[in-house]
Amino acid sequence: DVKVTQSSRYLVKRTGEKVFLECVQDMDHENMFWYRQDPGLGLRLIYFSYDVKMKEKGDIPEGYSVSREKKERFSLILESASTNQTSMYLCASTIPQGGYGYTFGSGTRLTVV
Amino acid sequence: AQKITQTQPGMFVQEKEAVTLDCTYDTSDPSYGLFWYKQPSSGEMIFLIYQGSYDQQNATEGRYSLNFQKARKSANLVISASQLGDSAMYFCAMRDFYNFNKFYFGSGTKLNVKP
Repeated sequence: DVKVTQSSRYLVKRTGEKVFLECVQDMDHENMFWYRQDPGLGLRLIYFSYDVKMKEKGDIPEGYSVSREKKERFSLILESASTNQTSMYLCASTIPQGGYGYTFGSGTRLTVV
Repeated sequence: AQKITQTQPGMFVQEKEAVTLDCTYDTSDPSYGLFWYKQPSSGEMIFLIYQGSYDQQNATEGRYSLNFQKARKSANLVISASQLGDSAMYFCAMRDFYNFNKFYFGSGTKLNVKP
């Protein structure tokens, strides 16, 4: 069964901490994405990667960075966590083929206190 | 610019009845894909149905069908014979084939099925 695995289901971090959210997929997908989900706002794209070591900003990249050193792993980094980054974070992957949707991870609910 | 619009933040439906969740989209590209996802309270995103922009017929998957009206740029999800387990958030999404296969999501519709 194909999978996208996010390392943590729940995280609580302090303001100012550096936070790493990890995402690993076992489907050899080229494209990987990080979204945050907030009530009433849907899913908003933070960053994405279309190949190893390649990254592109999404709609709300401020305060975040990413790393993709290996094809299967895409990490989201909060350089200095703030309370307005409290959210649900979803990782997804896909292939560049019509009709193919996202495979999502189970999400990480991050609380910054 | 927002590309997907879901105008119903919340809806109620009686068990065993049909319900339509609205979705409109905005794109100037000729080729795109439209998807619906379900998100139960547990948080996982579950793929429901897909419609390609060149597909002539409306997509169907079991109790789910997609009412695709290309000229109106709408892609409404129809759930027939609602079940209690259908209570969840539903997201409409559009895949941009010309832009790294990014997906754009609507703000979602919270569906509550009443017994």
